[in-house]
Amino acid sequence: DIQMTQSPSSLSASEGDTVTITCRASQDISNFLAWYQQKPGKVPHLLIFGASTLHSGVPPRFTGGGSGTDFTLTISGLQTEDVATYYCQKYDSAPYTFGPGTKLDI
Amino acid sequence: EVQLVESGGGLVKPGGSLRLSCAASGFTFNEYAMLWVRQAPGKGLEWVASISHRSSYLYYGDSVKGRFTISRDNAKNSLFLQMDALRAEDTAVYYCTRVRRDGYISDYWGQGTLVTVSS
Repeated sequence: DIQMTQSPSSLSASEGDTVTITCRASQDISNFLAWYQQKPGKVPHLLIFGASTLHSGVPPRFTGGGSGTDFTLTISGLQTEDVATYYCQKYDSAPYTFGPGTKLDI
Repeated sequence: EVQLVESGGGLVKPGGSLRLSCAASGFTFNEYAMLWVRQAPGKGLEWVASISHRSSYLYYGDSVKGRFTISRDNAKNSLFLQMDALRAEDTAVYYCTRVRRDGYISDYWGQGTLVTVSS
C-alpha cells in the first residue's frame, strides 16, 4: 500500500506569516490528493482536492500544489482561526490513506 | 442542507459487537458513495471503510478487514458499520462522510459517534 507522510509534524508561526506544509506519497498518485483542516475539538472539513482545487467557501489564502509524489499546502497571511491540524489524504484508489497530520499553532 | 447524523456508539467489552448508523439528509443519498473515518483519542484520522452508491464496491482498511462490515440502505437514506470482534485499539470517534462524485473525497462529515472498547 502507498504510505503518506507529512512534514513538519508541527509548526508555530505568527499572524500574517506564510507557511508551507508538505505531504509525500510513497508512490505516484498523480493529483489525487486532498487536504483537510481540523480545528481543535471540531470535525474535519475539506480544504482542497485534486491537489490544488479549493473546496467551496475556502479562503484563497489556502493554496495547494504538486503532483506525483510531492504536494504542498501553503497558507498565506496566517490568521488565528487557522490554528488547526492539517491532514493530506490520497484518493487515487483504496486504501484512502491519510497523512499523520501537521499541527499548526499561531 | 447536507446533514449526516451518526448514532450507535457506546461502551463495549473487547470481543463484543456494535452497529453504527448514519442518517443522511439534504441530498440524494443513492447518488453518492460514503465513507467511515475514525479518530482515536488524541490521534490522527484513519480511513475505515467505503461503499459505492449502489453498494457494488466495498473497501476496508487493513486494521478492520474481516471484522467490520459497511452497508447502506438507500431506501432509508442510511449508512451502517457493523463492528465485530472489537479491540481496545478500535476505540475512537467514528465519522460518517459523504464522498464527492468525482473522487473519494469527503466533502461533508457528521459530528461523529464515540466507540469505547474496554473491559
